[in-house]
Amino acid sequence: SQTIHQWPATLVQPVGSPLSLECTVEGTSNPNLYWYRQAAGRGLQLLFYSVGIGQISSEVPQNLSASRPQDRQFILSSKKLLLSDSGFYLCAWERGQGRTDTQYFGPGTRLTVL
Amino acid sequence: AQSVTQPDIHITVSEGASLELRCNYSYGATPYLFWYVQSPGQGLQLLLKYFSGDTLVQGIKGFEAEFKRSQSSFNLRKPSVHWSDAAEYFCAVGARGNTPLVFGKGTRLSVIA
Repeated sequence: SQTIHQWPATLVQPVGSPLSLECTVEGTSNPNLYWYRQAAGRGLQLLFYSVGIGQISSEVPQNLSASRPQDRQFILSSKKLLLSDSGFYLCAWERGQGRTDTQYFGPGTRLTVL
Repeated sequence: AQSVTQPDIHITVSEGASLELRCNYSYGATPYLFWYVQSPGQGLQLLLKYFSGDTLVQGIKGFEAEFKRSQSSFNLRKPSVHWSDAAEYFCAVGARGNTPLVFGKGTRLSVIA
């Protein structure tokens, strides 16, 4: 069966510090991968998605970036965090094969920027 | 491009009462439709999905949803709500291609005794 992991589970960082959140998927190959953010009291905002290694699509221009160094690894990064980057970050995977399918979500990372 | 609307931001129901959460979508063809549930501090869990076939879809935890093409709706229902159903519910719509799902803004369900 497939599983998706995110770490860390919680993170408190000062403004201006760098960020690296990691997401890994087990039990599948060539998945589509997604990063979402939930700000307090708001819905899901799609940040990035990837259909393959090194292929990243950005949905919202901001000071975050994403990378996919391996087939089942998706990393969200920032060089300098802003207060507005606080939120709940969710990673999701979907079977690839070039068509829309069900997305399965990880447990999330709670980021607080102070 | 597809879009989805969840008209109700917050709904409160009594335990044991029936529940209906509304979802309306906009898409030019038959979409893929999903309902997810999120408990506080958790990721999203898939409740049910519609791809094709029978328009009444059964999901986990006693939930069901009905796809109504004429109304562009995919409302979620449960005949008797339990206190553990208190959570945030998200409807999502997908196009028949390799594009990301579009999520609604969510409906928060509170359950009172």
